[in-house]
Amino acid sequence: DAGVTQSPTHLIKTRGQQVTLRCSPKSGHDTVSWYQQALGQGPQFIFQYYEEEERQRGNFPDRFSGHQFPNYSSELNVNALLLGDSALYLCASSLVGTGNEKLFFGSGTQLSVL
Amino acid sequence: KQEVTQIPAALSVPEGENLVLNCSFTDSAIYNLQWFRQDPGKGLTSLLLIQSSQREQTSGRLNASLDKSSGRSTLYIAASQPGDSATYLCAVCYTGRRALTFGSGTRLQVQP
Repeated sequence: DAGVTQSPTHLIKTRGQQVTLRCSPKSGHDTVSWYQQALGQGPQFIFQYYEEEERQRGNFPDRFSGHQFPNYSSELNVNALLLGDSALYLCASSLVGTGNEKLFFGSGTQLSVL
Repeated sequence: KQEVTQIPAALSVPEGENLVLNCSFTDSAIYNLQWFRQDPGKGLTSLLLIQSSQREQTSGRLNASLDKSSGRSTLYIAASQPGDSATYLCAVCYTGRRALTFGSGTRLQVQP
């Protein structure tokens, strides 16, 4: 049973560029959340997708956008990259309505903006 | 503001010692609380999840407690091993929100 998979594992971009990160949820899960983790900090919630719609959003600018596909996989897009966007981006999946909603995380995408 | 704080930020102990990691949260209206482990540069592994109605959860050498009235949770690790070295993160799901609010973590080093 595959867990949460993310691609790519590492990425280097320059300021002003755009990036797309991808996530496949754990088998049987229907909800995907994205988090940003700066070095030495806890993850910060970006947004959550369920039934192909954004359900909730954290305190991130509109440069951060996402999408969920019918197979429940998801993409995170970041436009006009800033140096401060350098971080580990984590995807987490869960199954809504279980009353538990334990999150399973992928290994993350390490984004470096130069 | 709904915040989560973890103390200490770093901890170094000799192998075999029992230890306690602390987590505090500012709002008692929580849905659940999770403890995660994170190895350097890696994703998070869920260790224990405590629902709002529960007081504690146990898994092997790990025991997590929850006291909503005082806004505190503890993670107890028995008979620590070098393989336990990692960062431990506490995360709260507040009622009415779909996101987890994380603390900054406790970086644990178990010396052989």
